[in-house]
Parts: sequence; C-alpha cells; structure tokens
Amino acid sequence: EAGVVQSPRYKIIEKKQPVAFWCNPISGHNTLYWYLQNLGQGPELLIRYENEEAVDDSQLPKDRFSAERLKGVDSTLKIQPAELGDSAVYLCASSLVLEGEQYFGPGTRLTVT
Amino acid sequence: QQQVKQSPQSLIVQKGGISIINCAYENTAFDYFPWYQQFPGKGPALLIAIRPDVSEKKEGRFTISFNKSAKQFSLHIMDSQPGDSATYFCAAGAWGKLQFGAGTQVVVTP
Repeated sequence: EAGVVQSPRYKIIEKKQPVAFWCNPISGHNTLYWYLQNLGQGPELLIRYENEEAVDDSQLPKDRFSAERLKGVDSTLKIQPAELGDSAVYLCASSLVLEGEQYFGPGTRLTVT
Repeated sequence: QQQVKQSPQSLIVQKGGISIINCAYENTAFDYFPWYQQFPGKGPALLIAIRPDVSEKKEGRFTISFNKSAKQFSLHIMDSQPGDSATYFCAAGAWGKLQFGAGTQVVVTP
C-alpha cells in the first residue's frame, strides 16, 4: 500500500513569491492534516480536513496561507506571499478516521531566500 | 504554550543499552499518546501508541509506560541498536488533534 505522497520534496523561492505544496493521502483515508515542522522542533498542526471540510484551521495564518481539499482526496497548501520565516518542512499526514493513527508523508522542505 | 514537554533533548547510548525518553503533559483531556520516530529527510513514522486505560504497552524492543496521575509517559528502547539512531517525538492528543513534544535525538554508538 502506497504511503502519503507529497511534492515537491524541495522548493527554493525568493521572498514575496507564491508557493504551493501538494499531498495525496493514503487511499481511503478520510482525514488529512498539514503540519509545519521547524528545525529541531516537533510538527505543529496548520489545518485538518475531514473529507472536504476543514474541521480545524485555527493555527493557519490566513493572511498568507490557504489550503483546499477538493473532492476529499488530494490537498494543496499555498503560501502567498512567502516570507523568510516560512522556511521549514511542510508535512502532510492522513488517518482513516478523525481519531485514527496518523501517517506522515516525507514532507516538503521550503527555503525562502 | 507548550502542552507536551519532552526530555532529554538528546542522549547517547551504547549498543545494547536502554534508551529512555520522558514526556509530560498538562491537558487532562488528552486520551491518545503516540510516539514517532523520524530519520533525517523523512517524515515521522508511528512507532507505538497508548491510551490511558493501560499503564504499559510493549511492542518488540519498544515499551511505553504511562502514569495518568502524574500526567507523564515514557518510551523505553531496549537493546538499542545503531539503526535506532533517530529523533523521537512524543505526542498527546484528543479528538484527533495531536500536540507534539520538541523531540529527542538519540545516538546509539557501536
């Protein structure tokens, strides 16, 4: 069974540019999560989807971050415009149900110069 | 506000030794306590998890000990191997929402 797929794996952009990350969860998993992981820190939840619905986006900086999960499968996380402080690893995870075990993808390492 | 405090930040253990990582939490609503293992350049991988109705769970060389009254839980890695060298994260959660500790970098020397 394929795991959580994320792309790109690495992205380098200049500040003020837009960037987008894509995630394909494990087949059949209804719940999808986007996390931010700073160097030397644990993951921090940005947004959580139950099917197409964002059930928890309280930690998402909505002035520059947006996310969508059309058709309840793939998801895209966007930053516009990017700032230097956004340099981090963006992780996607999925679980079968809302309180199920979470499985992480490999992450996208973003560097903003 | 860090809801899950993890210690130590790093530890070095000899091959065959025992690695012990501790976590403490504040929110008594937490009812799910997983541990994740992360290698450089990889995403965290679920290692073992426990719910508060049991005080201990063992899977192979990995054991979680849970103390509900003290609001603490720990991971014990028995017979540590060089392949166990990684960063370990504890987490605590409720209703599917996880709060992670800051991580412990474990180095197992040959």
